[in-house]
Amino acid sequence: KQEVTQIPAALSVPEGENLVLNCSFTDSAIYNLQWFRQDPGKGLTSLLLIQSSQREQTSGRLNASLDKSSGRSTLYIAASQPGDSATYLCAVKAGGTSYGKLTFGQGTILTVHP
Amino acid sequence: EAQVTQNPRYLITVTGKKLTVTCSQNMNHEYMSWYRQDPGLGLRQIYYSMNVEVTDKGDVPEGYKVSRKEKRNFPLILESPSPNQTSLYFCASSSGDGYTFGSGTRLTVV
Repeated sequence: KQEVTQIPAALSVPEGENLVLNCSFTDSAIYNLQWFRQDPGKGLTSLLLIQSSQREQTSGRLNASLDKSSGRSTLYIAASQPGDSATYLCAVKAGGTSYGKLTFGQGTILTVHP
Repeated sequence: EAQVTQNPRYLITVTGKKLTVTCSQNMNHEYMSWYRQDPGLGLRQIYYSMNVEVTDKGDVPEGYKVSRKEKRNFPLILESPSPNQTSLYFCASSSGDGYTFGSGTRLTVV
């Protein structure tokens, strides 16, 4: 059974810092990995999608890497801003089919203070 | 705009009163799914559908029903809601790559 763990559970940083969020998964047979952002009580916004054959994806100040063999992904946020404050969720899609189930981590609660 | 639309956003109901949460997507996605999110338990899959008239159970299907009569719609039905179904519910759709999620439905069963 796939298990996804996110570390740290919570992170508080001053504005401007570069930071790294970690995601690990137990079964390396994944189809892809997706990072989401969730604001309190709101829906999930997709940030980055990494296919199992890819090593990284970038969007603006965000960079996500994937090391499938070791079961790890990191989300790097450059020059953090108060507007980045949210919960960040990592989700892996089961391998073998493009319609596999998503398994989520518990999330990292990020607070960026001015 | 490509999106998944859920209704209602908020719902308070009483135990045993049947309810339906609607979900519609405008992206012509074949795959749709329902998740619930609970503190300490994260997001868990309730049901999913690979295409019209094809549905299957996820990890926590007890107490829920779904139907997929049209490609765009995937309603979640609670025939006899109970307080342990109080949760934040999300509908999602996918073309086979990334998932798009709705804004969520916060359900309270008293």
